Amino acid sequence: ETGVTQTPRHLVMGMTNKKSLKCEQHLGHNAMYWYKQSAKKPLELMFVYSLEERVENNSVPSRFSPECPNSSHLFLHLHTLQPEDSALYLCASSQGTLTSGYTFGSGTRLTVV
Amino acid sequence: GIQVEQSPPDLILQEGANSTLRCNFSDSVNNLQWFHQNPWGQLINLFYIPSGTKQNGRLSATTVATERYSLLYISSSQTTDSGVYFCAVVDYGGSQGNLIFGKGTKLSVKP
Repeated sequence: ETGVTQTPRHLVMGMTNKKSLKCEQHLGHNAMYWYKQSAKKPLELMFVYSLEERVENNSVPSRFSPECPNSSHLFLHLHTLQPEDSALYLCASSQGTLTSGYTFGSGTRLTVV
Repeated sequence: GIQVEQSPPDLILQEGANSTLRCNFSDSVNNLQWFHQNPWGQLINLFYIPSGTKQNGRLSATTVATERYSLLYISSSQTTDSGVYFCAVVDYGGSQGNLIFGKGTKLSVKP
């Protein structure tokens, strides 16, 4: 375990379903992130929360909705996804957003059918 | 935005061999990190190394910020070193906290 825990590890959902991904960090960090890793594409930033405030939404479709209720927890709510949204979704945390290392969770492998 | 290029894209080693992975970046950085992604998808932070040299066991890394490159050294490779190694830098000119990843070096260590 790295100190960042993601659940579930695997998720299969239909295009009309609503599901949520959960991320919890035990490192005392004040910034949390959602990244997406698709096949044959570099990892790409989706959302950044710093001190529980969303500071960046990297042009992500509204069918992805983040929530950060406190500095230790981050959720990604999913609804009416498309098959092309199938990917590995990685959560990360860091102390500040500029000059520290990032710690990633194990990821949720999402398949949309 | 900042560009990150890694080489080689693929590397096959015999167990016990040494290797050097390279990361070039197009602009000055204050945050450079090396990660190892295992076959199950987990990204492990190996080094936070915006400049200088660090060592951790069989791994070491050197970043020469003025020349815009970083090197990751793996000595006495083991089969458990297999996976993809990513270099990533924070793009200060773009989205806050945006860690820009290279395409990675896929390493296979054969027994």
